[in-house]
Amino acid sequence: SQQGEEDPQALSIQEGENATMNCSYKTSINNLQWYRQNSGRGLVHLILIRSNEREKHSGRLRVTLDTSKKSSSLLITASRAADTASYFCATGANSKLTFGKGITLSVRP
Amino acid sequence: DADVTQTPRNRITKTGKRIMLECSQTKGHDRMYWYRQDPGLGLRLIYYSFDVKDINKGEISDGYSVSRQAQAKFSLSLESAIPNQTALYFCATSESEQPYGYTFGSGTRLTVV
Repeated sequence: SQQGEEDPQALSIQEGENATMNCSYKTSINNLQWYRQNSGRGLVHLILIRSNEREKHSGRLRVTLDTSKKSSSLLITASRAADTASYFCATGANSKLTFGKGITLSVRP
Repeated sequence: DADVTQTPRNRITKTGKRIMLECSQTKGHDRMYWYRQDPGLGLRLIYYSFDVKDINKGEISDGYSVSRQAQAKFSLSLESAIPNQTALYFCATSESEQPYGYTFGSGTRLTVV
């Protein structure tokens, strides 16, 4: 069964705007990760946040984790057309990752 | 060369045929995984292996088997393919040190007719 559930399912924004994607999960985790997938390609790891962390940054990416609400958000600032892809959150527990169904992000030039 | 290589990239096979998907990695990672991706369902774990002698079933292992021939090689077999096994299959690797990010292959698109 899917652990993470992303919201919204699809997001369309203008280049230069910020994109915010959310992930909720149901059971305890020891880390949460975000991945990007370009159409039909393999997933690429973007960022990992441990369960004892609240916020993490990597370049234009900012991820937050609220374990009390069992939720995470991924912010992509100053989006580019090249950011168009599907984004997945994955929850880590028991040495395995469980992926959500993904968010389709379209960035219009 | 890619860190995680999957072969074949595309395959069409008939119902009832046995088929093997192969995965090899140059990352030196101990842990390897097989996932399948279906539209609207995300990725689901089929099998995983934490080292050569360790094989574990995932969420959806029925109809599949695996072999870990070496640290670098992990193959997935469909003993008797059926149409609902049509999907995009991904192999992934990770380090043993936790927590870890996964490295994915480019995928094998399998169609069972």
